[in-house]
Amino acid sequence: AQSVTQPDIHITVSEGASLELRCNYSYGATPYLFWYVQSPGQGLQLLLKYFSGDTLVQGIKGFEAEFKRSQSSFNLRKPSVHWSDAAEYFCAVGTRNNDMRFGAGTRLTVKP
Amino acid sequence: ETGVTQSPTHLIKTRGQQVTLRCSSQSGHNTVSWYQQALGQGPQFIFQYYREEENGRGNFPPRFSGLQFPNYSSELNVNALELDDSALYLCASSPDRAEGYTFGSGTRLTVV
Repeated sequence: AQSVTQPDIHITVSEGASLELRCNYSYGATPYLFWYVQSPGQGLQLLLKYFSGDTLVQGIKGFEAEFKRSQSSFNLRKPSVHWSDAAEYFCAVGTRNNDMRFGAGTRLTVKP
Repeated sequence: ETGVTQSPTHLIKTRGQQVTLRCSSQSGHNTVSWYQQALGQGPQFIFQYYREEENGRGNFPPRFSGLQFPNYSSELNVNALELDDSALYLCASSPDRAEGYTFGSGTRLTVV
């Protein structure tokens, strides 16, 4: 069965610093992988997705993620964090014909 | 700006009652999924509809049921509400499941 682990419940970074959020997945076949962001009281916004091809995926808001099959990972990165990036981030795994399984999320706090 | 609208935004119900939550998707979004997000958790898949037929179901009891209509709207019905049903309910739609989903802002259900 598909599953997603986000090892970091809460991360704090200073504004302007780089960011990496970790995601590990479990799935027998080639997965579809997603990163979503959720602001308080809001729904989820898609940041980026990986289906196949180039393992480095560019998304919105300056985010990117790298798919590493050997490590079953899909970590999210941003070179310079802005205060508006403070939110909850969810990694999800799915297939073309299935639902998405979400991780428990990582809450990002940005220090001035 | 999301193209998925959910109503109501907040709702309080008494244990044992029934509730209907509504979702209006963008034209052409043939696939709709419903998720339950408990406080501090990632979204959990309830079920998915594709062209008005149930196309997959998560680990939720039969008292959770749904409908999808030709006008790209859908409903989530929950019977015999329990206290643990208190959560944010998210609707997500897509024109093609491989493209990722657009989420609504959710309905916050409180069962007392």
